[in-house]
Parts: sequence; C-alpha cells; structure tokens
Amino acid sequence: QSALTQPASVSGSPGQSITISCTGTSSDVGAYNYVSWYQQHPGKAPKLMIYEVSDRPSGVSNRFSGSKSGNTASLTISGLQAEDEADYYCSSYRNSNTQVFGGGTKVTVL
Amino acid sequence: EVQLVESGGTLVQPGGSLRLSCAASGFTFSDYWMSWVRQAPGKGLEWVANIKRDGTEIYYVDSVKGRFTILRDNAKTSLYLQMNSLRAEDTAVYYCASGRCANGVCYRSYFDYWGRGTLVTVSS
Repeated sequence: QSALTQPASVSGSPGQSITISCTGTSSDVGAYNYVSWYQQHPGKAPKLMIYEVSDRPSGVSNRFSGSKSGNTASLTISGLQAEDEADYYCSSYRNSNTQVFGGGTKVTVL
Repeated sequence: EVQLVESGGTLVQPGGSLRLSCAASGFTFSDYWMSWVRQAPGKGLEWVANIKRDGTEIYYVDSVKGRFTILRDNAKTSLYLQMNSLRAEDTAVYYCASGRCANGVCYRSYFDYWGRGTLVTVSS
C-alpha cells in the first residue's frame, strides 16, 4: 500500500505563504473528500489541522487552509510564522476501508 | 481534558508477541472509531488498524493482517493492539488515535485526539 506523495521539504520566510501538495490516485484523494492534514513538531504527537479537504477544527488558525483538485490535495499556510516550522502529513481514505498517509513534508521557516 | 495514554511498548525479539494498551478519558469513548497509527524512527506516519465504536467493523493495513489484532473495551474506555510474529520492520512509536465526531456525525477517517505514543523495538 503506497503512501501519498508529498514534497520532502518546503521553506519560506516569515509572513510569506507556502503550499504543500499531496498527490494520490483515483482510489483515494481523487475519489473521496476524506482528506486531512496533520502538523507534527519534533518529539510530539501529530495534531489535526484540516479535515474533509478544507475544514478547520476549532482552535486551528485560519492561516491554514486546504483544497483539492483531482488526485491532488494541498495545504496552504499563509502569513508563515516561526511556530509553523514542523512536519506536515496528509491523509486520505482509500478503497477497501483503509487509510493512507503521505510521506511527510518538512516546513522550514527561513 | 481529553487524554489518551498508551502503554506496553518495550524491546521484544523477532517472532515475539506484545500487547499495547491505550487508556482513554475526557470524551465519550464509545462514540468514536479508534485507530492505531505508527511511526518508525525518523520516518513518516503509517495507519495500522481501526475499529468501529461497537467493534463490529475492523480493518488493517496489509502488512499486519494475520499478525495484529485490534480490540476495544468500551466499559473500560480502553483500546488494545495484540501484536504477534513481530518483525524488525514493526519497530516504531505506536500512537492511539480517535476518529472525529462533530455535529452528530462520527468519522473514522480523521484522527482527532492522539496519545503521546509508546515505543516498540523489535530486535535480537
């Protein structure tokens, strides 16, 4: 079961916007809106940032937004801040009642 | 306050068995799908298994089918993972994670609450 494809790293300066892509197939990202994004700081548990492609749980900054087009989902972080430096993972429901994560993207704030 | 506390991780030899536990509190455990998600050292997240609120639906990633069993006890608000025939590639931090319930709908595909994880090392 192959993972979703994410860039290994993305960087930006404070205040800038960055976008992380998450490419799947017609069996997962392209077929369902059950796409979510997680932030993980070193040594910590992941945190849900976006669910159902573009919804934010309460307490998550509106600087984080999600979208999807075809087999690719995207997470955009606007107004980049130092605290946003972390690893980010996408996830999707996949056919046959399974879940799949992306390989993760390391975000660096320059 | 929501808490998920995993326990049971340790060093085990290849071919051995281990049972992980996850004690939940601060939310209505019996309403939620529950999952195990693992992370090998320096690697990404991998979904391992999930179980429906009443235990009637259970699913696994292919690599653990036939070796791992996910269970839950709603009376004890606890989740378990019985791991048999362990391999070196099972070495990871194992997280207990809940699904998401919002507006009266409970989803299995989003991981809302997470524990801090427990480390399983498979090595001779």
